[in-house]
Amino acid sequence: DAEITQSPRHKITETGRQVTLACHQTWNHNNMFWYRQDLGHGLRLIHYSYGVQDTNKGEVSDGYSVSRSNTEDLPLTLESAASSQTSVYFCASSEGQGPNEQFFGPGTRLTVL
Amino acid sequence: GQNIDQPTEMTATEGAIVQINCTYQTSGFNGLFWYQQHAGEAPTFLSYNVLDGLEEKGRFSSFLSRSKGYSYLLLKELQMKDSASYLCAVLYNTDKLIFGTGTRLQVFP
Repeated sequence: DAEITQSPRHKITETGRQVTLACHQTWNHNNMFWYRQDLGHGLRLIHYSYGVQDTNKGEVSDGYSVSRSNTEDLPLTLESAASSQTSVYFCASSEGQGPNEQFFGPGTRLTVL
Repeated sequence: GQNIDQPTEMTATEGAIVQINCTYQTSGFNGLFWYQQHAGEAPTFLSYNVLDGLEEKGRFSSFLSRSKGYSYLLLKELQMKDSASYLCAVLYNTDKLIFGTGTRLQVFP
């Protein structure tokens, strides 16, 4: 069965370190998204991609970057982790163009100390 | 700007009916999604509305009024497993979602 996975599921890091969160989907979807979820804010879009070599900034992109070298993966990198980036991170994917539902990964809980 | 409002918390009794409302003000509206999210888990798709009216899917129904910027999710014959957060999300610019903060529903026996 097709799926979307994230790793690690839990991560504790220190302020200033670089952290990369992995997202892998086997749906063969063109669209991939990264969100963060915090109490009182709901899900907020960090970055998204419509295909290989395509990346775009979302509403809360400062301090984050992504790269898309193949269809299956969209890793999210925190260049220099800050305590404000402590959150639960969800990756999602959807088919290209149109009002297609997004399928979400299980999430990564990141704590920055 | 983009704004989505939904109640923070609701409670209901097993077997009852509950309606979760969502109002929105967005540009480039291409439809409205409802997702369910159990604590510690990923959101999962419940429904999608783009035209005015009611969409029924088993115990769950979703309604949309585009002119009023309003939607609701109706849950019938509530079960304990329906205790979860319900996320309203507007689709804009074809492929992007903006989410409300979610409504936490607690179902009591």
